[in-house]
Parts: sequence; C-alpha cells; structure tokens
Amino acid sequence: GDSVTQMEGPVTLSEEACLTINCTYTATGYPSLFWYVQYPGEGLQLLLKATKADDKGSNKGFEATYRKETTSFHLEKGSVQVSDSAVYFCALSFHSGNTGKLIFGQGTTLQVKP
Amino acid sequence: DAGVIQSPRHEVTEMGQEVTLRCKPISGHDYLFWYRQTMMRGLELLIYFNNNVPIDDSGMPEDRFSAKMPNASFSTLKIQPSEPRDSAVYFCASSSTGRGAGANVLTFGAGSRLTVL
Repeated sequence: GDSVTQMEGPVTLSEEACLTINCTYTATGYPSLFWYVQYPGEGLQLLLKATKADDKGSNKGFEATYRKETTSFHLEKGSVQVSDSAVYFCALSFHSGNTGKLIFGQGTTLQVKP
Repeated sequence: DAGVIQSPRHEVTEMGQEVTLRCKPISGHDYLFWYRQTMMRGLELLIYFNNNVPIDDSGMPEDRFSAKMPNASFSTLKIQPSEPRDSAVYFCASSSTGRGAGANVLTFGAGSRLTVL
C-alpha cells in the first residue's frame, strides 16, 4: 500500500546549522507531497507542498523538491532557528476521490539549541 | 475565519465512560477528517466525510468508536465505552475541493487530548 517513511528523530542542531530531513514514499500513482509542522501543543500546519515531479515547494526558508526518480521529498533549510523546533511530518495524498486524505510519515522531531 | 475549532481541548475520564469530541470545520469546506495521534502509532486517519456523508471509516478501530456529521458545520466523534488505550490526541481537519490556492489542503484544529484512566 501507499506509505511514507521519514528519517527517525530526534534531530538536534545548533542555531544557524543546515537541516535535512529525509522523506521517501511508496505510491501506486503520482501523489501530491506535503510537509506539515506541529509546534508544541498545537495542531499540524501546512509548511509546503508540491503537486508534480520536479516541483519545488518553499516557505519560511524551508524547501523540498519532488523527486519522482528517487521517490523522495527531502526537507531542507540552510540556517535553522530556535523557533523552528517542532515535529515535521511528510505526507502524500491523491486528489482523485479523496481530496485532502493524507497518509503521514511518523514525524521527525527537530530541536534547535541556541 | 477562526479555523477548525475543536472541543474540549483536554478531557480526562475514567474507563467505561462515554466521551464525545466536537469539531467545527472551516465554513465552505466540504471534507472533514478525524485523525488520532499517539506516540506508538503516529497519525492515523479514523474517518472522513464529504458533504456530511461518511466516505471511509475503515480506520475506526472498533465499534466503540462512532462519528457523525449532522450538518456542514458540526461533527462529533464518540467513544463508548472508553478504555485506557484510547488515550491520544484527536485531530479534526477540513479541506475544500476546487482550484484555488488552498484547495485540497488540510487545515487542522488544535486537537483534543484525551486521557482515559
């Protein structure tokens, strides 16, 4: 079945370090891909998305490129801040007949230290 | 818009009691989802509705769980009787079809944290 696999956390970085969180997927078709972020005590918020191969999603300094050949959607940021500390979820969805239905990875906790 | 509104934010109850969680989706959204989040299992889709009609409830763990959506602005998730293993954070989310920038993107509520003793 369709699934999403993320690198295990927690990931601990110093402020201004580079971030990469790996995400790969298994899907029978061509899904849309998402990164959601969950800050402590809050619900998930959409961080960025890409709907087709080679698309790059970006927001708040974060980027991810939809790579069909490697079935990956790795999240990157060049310089993290303490305020980026959160749990990051990679997810996929198929539009047809299941608008918004997401399959999530397990989540990766990021902790950024000053 | 105030976003997706869930209540209660926290619920502590004893095993065997009935629990009802409530959700108000974003106005105009035609899809509503209930997710459960635990440390062990991550985020699991329990059920989702389209235009108030349940479409897929295959994620509902057992008959103790039920969900309703009597109108476009309200949904409930009920657990009866509750058990300690039901302790989790339950999220409601909504989305809309269409071609706008926000179409097909889930907006989550803040969640309801349930503790069953």
